[in-house]
Amino acid sequence: SYVLTQPPSVSVAPGQTARITCGGNNIGSKSVHWYQQKPGQAPVLVVYDDSDRPSGIPERFSGSNSGNTATLTISRVEAGDEADYYCQVWDSSSDHRSWVFGGGTKLTVL
Amino acid sequence: EVQLVESGGGLVQPGGSLRLSCAASGFTVSSNYMSWVRQAPGKGLEWVSVIYSGGSTYYADSVKGRFTISRDNSKNTLYLQMNSLRAEDTAVYYCARTYDSSGYYGYWGQGTLVTVSS
Repeated sequence: SYVLTQPPSVSVAPGQTARITCGGNNIGSKSVHWYQQKPGQAPVLVVYDDSDRPSGIPERFSGSNSGNTATLTISRVEAGDEADYYCQVWDSSSDHRSWVFGGGTKLTVL
Repeated sequence: EVQLVESGGGLVQPGGSLRLSCAASGFTVSSNYMSWVRQAPGKGLEWVSVIYSGGSTYYADSVKGRFTISRDNSKNTLYLQMNSLRAEDTAVYYCARTYDSSGYYGYWGQGTLVTVSS
């Protein structure tokens, strides 16, 4: 089955740029989606289809995807960005459809 | 406004059964892919099951043969029937509207907690 690998944690100072990676075999050929989850809350979609933002998501959130790594970039990080972030892909290439999540990355704002 | 409201969670003994419901508003369940995603305490997200607009269903290997996803079009509601429950099924269960273009979850419910314990 397809595996997505994220770093367990990323730390960044306010105002700086956070980059959260998501590794997978030839992930550049798939559409990658990113979710933000704060404690006690449901996940929220922040980036879909590698680099598109849903309405209401600040432009500070952006994404890229190439080769074996997808990246969520959060510019001008704010205290309110502190959360867990998950990448996700949809494996629709076989009869065994599956949705795959990365293990999640805890973003700490110093 | 799109809303998803789960219900039906609770405490159940190992080997028991539970049925979760997800009442939708603001869109038509039967016209969309709909999924269940779970999160064990302190752990990450795990896809559980999906039902396509055409009615096809798919399951994670961890629940195949034990869980059944379904929908009631007249009630605009999604269900997850969970049988032969195990301790490792303990989790918050979320329903999510799933976009069939590339499989992302655009809307999530607030989740319902299922605890499997004796």
